[in-house]
Amino acid sequence: AQSVAQPEDQVNVAEGNPLTVKCTYSVSGNPYLFWYVQYPNRGLQFLLKYITGDNLVKGSYGFEAEFNKSQTSFHLKKPSALVSDSALYFCAVRDITGFQKLVFGTGTRLLVSP
Amino acid sequence: GAVVSQHPSWVICKSGTSVKIECRSLDFQATTMFWYRQFPKQSLMLMATSNEGSKATYEQGVEKDKFLINHASLTLSTLTVTSAHPEDSSFYICSARDPGVSYGYTFGSGTRLTVV
Repeated sequence: AQSVAQPEDQVNVAEGNPLTVKCTYSVSGNPYLFWYVQYPNRGLQFLLKYITGDNLVKGSYGFEAEFNKSQTSFHLKKPSALVSDSALYFCAVRDITGFQKLVFGTGTRLLVSP
Repeated sequence: GAVVSQHPSWVICKSGTSVKIECRSLDFQATTMFWYRQFPKQSLMLMATSNEGSKATYEQGVEKDKFLINHASLTLSTLTVTSAHPEDSSFYICSARDPGVSYGYTFGSGTRLTVV
């Protein structure tokens, strides 16, 4: 079964510093990977996805992610964090069976301090 | 991109009553809608997948008689929590595949259900 793991419950970073939110995956076949952000009591906002092509994927709000096949990772990155980036981040993988639902990781809370 | 409108944003109901949550695809037809449940500080767990004109497919462990899902049209899917109990209090989110984005998904804004 397709799955993703987010090893960190929370990541703390100072504003202006680079940030990394980790995600590793376990899939059968080619991975279709996604990052979403959630603000309190809100739905999920799409950040970026990897389907095929360049390993470095650029997304919304200055975020990017690097697909690493050998390490089965898809870490989310941003060169310079903003306080407004503080939110809950989910890594997800598309299921290859049935209705192709998204399977989510446990989420990582990002806290950016001023 | 495609928009899914979810209502209500929040609802408080008494134990034993039923609550209906609606998700509408505003500018596209959604043949499939995914319903997720999110507990505080936890991930999204898929409850069921609804398909227009047919019965929903429920995930293992989800009570289909308690969480009634109806997908009567290509633009509307509803989740009804029947005989609600405090343990049903949660954040419910619907999602559909975005036809305008390759392998894209769009999400409703979520419904905070509190059962008292």
